Amino acid sequence: AQSVTQLGSHVSVSEGALVLLRCNYSSSVPPYLFWYVQYPNQGLQLLLKYTTGATLVKGINGFEAEFKKSETSFHLTKPSAHMSDAAEYFCAVSVNPGYSTLTFGKGTMLLVSP
Amino acid sequence: DGGITQSPKYLFRKEGQNVTLSCEQNLNHDAMYWYRQDPGQGLRLIYYSQIVNDFQKGDIAEGYSVSREKKESFPLTVTSAQKNPTAFYLCASIPGLNSNQPQHFGDGTRLSIL
Repeated sequence: AQSVTQLGSHVSVSEGALVLLRCNYSSSVPPYLFWYVQYPNQGLQLLLKYTTGATLVKGINGFEAEFKKSETSFHLTKPSAHMSDAAEYFCAVSVNPGYSTLTFGKGTMLLVSP
Repeated sequence: DGGITQSPKYLFRKEGQNVTLSCEQNLNHDAMYWYRQDPGQGLRLIYYSQIVNDFQKGDIAEGYSVSREKKESFPLTVTSAQKNPTAFYLCASIPGLNSNQPQHFGDGTRLSIL
């Protein structure tokens, strides 16, 4: 069975500062990894995904994440935070290439101050 | 535009009452999912369906029921057996088990107990 741990239920940054949201996973087989963003009272929107190949993955809105197998991590970063980035972020893992079931972390709320 | 429609957006239930949450998709996707979201808990899988007239229990199926009579529809019934139904419910879909597409989410239904 797979699992996901997101370190920090809340992360606060200033506008323009680096954003770093941490995600560690556990999986007995090569994982497929995802980051989703959720704005209040809305569904989840895919930011980026890692399946195979290049370990540095670029997503929408300037976000990127790096798959590090040795550290079982998939941390999400953005060089410069914007007020519009304030939302909840979820890391998820799947071990099925068809993404049939996802296991989600508990989420990290990103707060951005002016 | 293609997408997933969840209705209603807000729903109130009296004690001992069953309620049904609607999920309709016009994406022609085979697989559909129901998740429950509680603050600080991430998303937990309730039920999923890979094809019409077939569905499987997820991690927290007790107190819930589903049907999949049509490809585009996957309604979720919250029964009176579910003792703590207050939560945000999200429906998702993917083209099929072997697709290379991420899960696409609806905007959710927030269920509250009166």
